[in-house]
Amino acid sequence: AQSVTQPDIHITVSEGASLELRCNYSYGATPYLFWYVQSPGQGLQLLLKYFSGDTLVQGIKGFEAEFKRSQSSFNLRKPSVHWSDAAEYFCAVGAVETSGSRLTFGEGTQLTVNP
Amino acid sequence: GAGVSQTPSNKVTEKGKYVELRCDPISGHTALYWYRQSLGQGPEFLIYFQGTGAADDSGLPNDRFFAVRPEGSVSTLKIQRTERGDSAVYLCASSLMSTGGNEQYFGPGTRLTVT
Repeated sequence: AQSVTQPDIHITVSEGASLELRCNYSYGATPYLFWYVQSPGQGLQLLLKYFSGDTLVQGIKGFEAEFKRSQSSFNLRKPSVHWSDAAEYFCAVGAVETSGSRLTFGEGTQLTVNP
Repeated sequence: GAGVSQTPSNKVTEKGKYVELRCDPISGHTALYWYRQSLGQGPEFLIYFQGTGAADDSGLPNDRFFAVRPEGSVSTLKIQRTERGDSAVYLCASSLMSTGGNEQYFGPGTRLTVT
């Protein structure tokens, strides 16, 4: 069964600082990997996704993530955080072999941005 | 275009009552998913529809939970004999196709509170 671990429950950074949110997954083959962001009262919004090919993927809002098969990781990065990035971030894995691509989410990382 | 909509946005019910939660997917999306998000947790998969049929209902916690999608568009999640442990945000998502990796677009959710 697939699983996702987000080791950091809460991260605080200063505005303008760089950001890295960690995600480790467990899956028997090459997975589909996603990062979603959830702001209060909002639905989940997709930031970026990895299916195959280039292991460094670019997303919206200046985010990027790197797939590292050897480490079973898919960490999210942003070079300079804006106050509007404060939200909860979820990493998710989807199954490749089965249809339906149900997503398995991590428990999330809450990001606080200090002015 | 319109995104995924869910009604009601909030639902308060008494223990033992029956509730229905509605999801309107994006027009033309054939796949529809229900997830449940408890406080401080990531979303957990409940059930997935491809067209009118439930292709995977392995995430439904017990037989008090049931979902339908009779015309392949709108879906209703039904919970019988509600329990306090059912309190959560119920998220609906749709995707254009069910094949792996298709982006799932999420609605804002229905917050269910069982008193």
